[in-house]
Amino acid sequence: QIQLVQSGPELKKPGESVKISCKASGYTFTDYAMHWVKQAPGKGLKWMGWINTYTGKPTYADDFKGRFVFSLEASASTANLQISNLKNEDTATYFCARRERDYFDYWGQGVMVTVSS
Amino acid sequence: DVVMTQTPVSLPVSLGGQASISCRSSQSLVHSNGNTYLHWYLQKPGQSPQLLIYRVSNRFSGVPDRFSGSGSGTDFTLKISRVEPEDLGDYYCLQSTHFPPTFGSGTKLEIK
Repeated sequence: QIQLVQSGPELKKPGESVKISCKASGYTFTDYAMHWVKQAPGKGLKWMGWINTYTGKPTYADDFKGRFVFSLEASASTANLQISNLKNEDTATYFCARRERDYFDYWGQGVMVTVSS
Repeated sequence: DVVMTQTPVSLPVSLGGQASISCRSSQSLVHSNGNTYLHWYLQKPGQSPQLLIYRVSNRFSGVPDRFSGSGSGTDFTLKISRVEPEDLGDYYCLQSTHFPPTFGSGTKLEIK
């Protein structure tokens, strides 16, 4: 069955970096784009961008340009999100989601990133 | 960006009753190819969002027929009939007609 399994929760200090992963199984990884969605505590969902899993080309939403990097380990069917120079407002749960045509059909369980001094 | 406005913010319902959630967009969601890319998700407490309805009215695999979607242009509705305990959570609409994709602000379905 199709699964997206994300890495575990992270506790970081402001200014540090974090890398979270999303391992796909049950389908051909390079056939579907991978998207990333942020959910701050108690808030709604915000689309961050996506990565073309065939070419590796990332696309970022305006609010996520600069400190955010999407990458792949295609041989391991894994997509990664790295956030550098962490700020308090980066405290959130980050979801990966597979895109089927025009909608997100399968989601990872989410990774809670807490930024606190 | 397209703004998606969901109402109500909170929706108390009785088990076995019916619920209706509205999602309005700031621009028409009809794509130049004629399709409308409006989708609905349910996020249960502590879980990731799960797809319920795609392209306005198509139920995703395994979604019971108690869930139905309708609408056109800028005005869309999700209806849930015979509400069950597992239906409780936050509902979000998502538009992917225009870049960037944008979510509604959410509707919390709770027990009356």
